[in-house]
Amino acid sequence: DAGVIQSPRHEVTEMGQEVTLRCKPISGHNSLFWYRQTMMRGLELLIYFNNNVPIDDSGMPEDRFSAKMPNASFSTLKIQPSEPRDSAVYFCASSFGSANSGNTIYFGEGSWLTVV
Amino acid sequence: TQLLEQSPQFLSIQEGENLTVYCNSSSVFSSLQWYRQEPGEGPVLLVTVVTGGEVKKLKRLTFQFGDARKDSSLHITAAQPGDTGLYLCAGSNNAGNMLTFGGGTRLMVKP
Repeated sequence: DAGVIQSPRHEVTEMGQEVTLRCKPISGHNSLFWYRQTMMRGLELLIYFNNNVPIDDSGMPEDRFSAKMPNASFSTLKIQPSEPRDSAVYFCASSFGSANSGNTIYFGEGSWLTVV
Repeated sequence: TQLLEQSPQFLSIQEGENLTVYCNSSSVFSSLQWYRQEPGEGPVLLVTVVTGGEVKKLKRLTFQFGDARKDSSLHITAAQPGDTGLYLCAGSNNAGNMLTFGGGTRLMVKP
């Protein structure tokens, strides 16, 4: 079975440009997460969807960041305009059921973003 | 915000040695998970512990959840180069379906 699929794997863009990261969760999973990982701050949760509805977006750093989940099989994370400090690895993850019940969260391979 | 602190941050050992990684918090978690992440990949779940005092074993890896469910440890016996990676602990609480990750322990096992 396919895991969580993210695209692009790598992106280099200029400051001020719009960046769109895409995610296809595992089929049948009802929870989707976007994380950001940097050496300085580690792995941070940006936003969490349950049944396509954003439940908690308190981790979204600024208004420049937005995320959507138009259906159960697709989500996007958009940064507009991008800044060099947004450079990081962005992970999408999905699960069935709740993490506080010990359910497994499956991560994609990440989108490596560099903003110059 | 619930914080998880992991120690040590970096660990370099020789093949065959034993090691313990710690994950500590002042908050209580309903469950705690350990992940391993290899370069260029996402974290992969190793184990979930949910009961205070619980001990789980996965081959040479032993995971323990503290009695008060505020801390956890990962012990690796006779480490091998294949154990090299970033080990992350993550806790969840009853308030929602979210994980808080620790900063990670970067382990290198030299042959």
